[in-house]
Amino acid sequence: GAGVSQTPSNKVTEKGKYVELRCDPISGHTALYWYRQSLGQGPEFLIYFQGTGAADDSGLPNDRFFAVRPEGSVSTLKIQRTERGDSAVYLCASSRGTGKANVLTFGAGSRLTVL
Amino acid sequence: RKEVEQDPGPFNVPEGATVAFNCTYSNSASQSFFWYRQDCRKEPKLLMSVYSSGNEDGRFTAQLNRASQYISLLIRDSKLSDSATYLCVVNTHTGNQFYFGTGTSLTVIP
Repeated sequence: GAGVSQTPSNKVTEKGKYVELRCDPISGHTALYWYRQSLGQGPEFLIYFQGTGAADDSGLPNDRFFAVRPEGSVSTLKIQRTERGDSAVYLCASSRGTGKANVLTFGAGSRLTVL
Repeated sequence: RKEVEQDPGPFNVPEGATVAFNCTYSNSASQSFFWYRQDCRKEPKLLMSVYSSGNEDGRFTAQLNRASQYISLLIRDSKLSDSATYLCVVNTHTGNQFYFGTGTSLTVIP
């Protein structure tokens, strides 16, 4: 697609529920990143994919968080047993790959509210 | 220690003023540097990359000081539309990791 597309744009759920957030990157972009942004903070890195594999998942806060990118394009961030502290905007970004000219293009984000 | 540190502000300046933001980074192996702009409840968007020799884009000038590990952004002749949060971003290349600062809030006042 022309830009990075994220769905849903807003998700309200109850504590303990399971949530999936989807990201469709720019066509041809091999790298895909998930970030989490809380109010008044900069984006916090969660996980980065190069192709189908997770190149770096060191930012995932705990084992309730998991992400996949099975065909090297669309990615899904999965959160199990949601907690109120998971409330944030989840941002997805994609890029062409690696190197000095590599820049991130973000989607509009998925705003998650856990009640 | 955080990878990237910024003064969160807020900076409130009158229209037409010149304002400068600084950002420091901790990893001396960092290779790529950027400024992103983020409007309220919107996603970050690339404002400009920062090159070693410094670069200018209209009213915006970005500079890099590798010895001191800081990046700056200068905005001249501020416009109301410049009101936003400005995020400093650093990439180390080794892990292709992009690290963001907390952002600096700017409000330009009529």
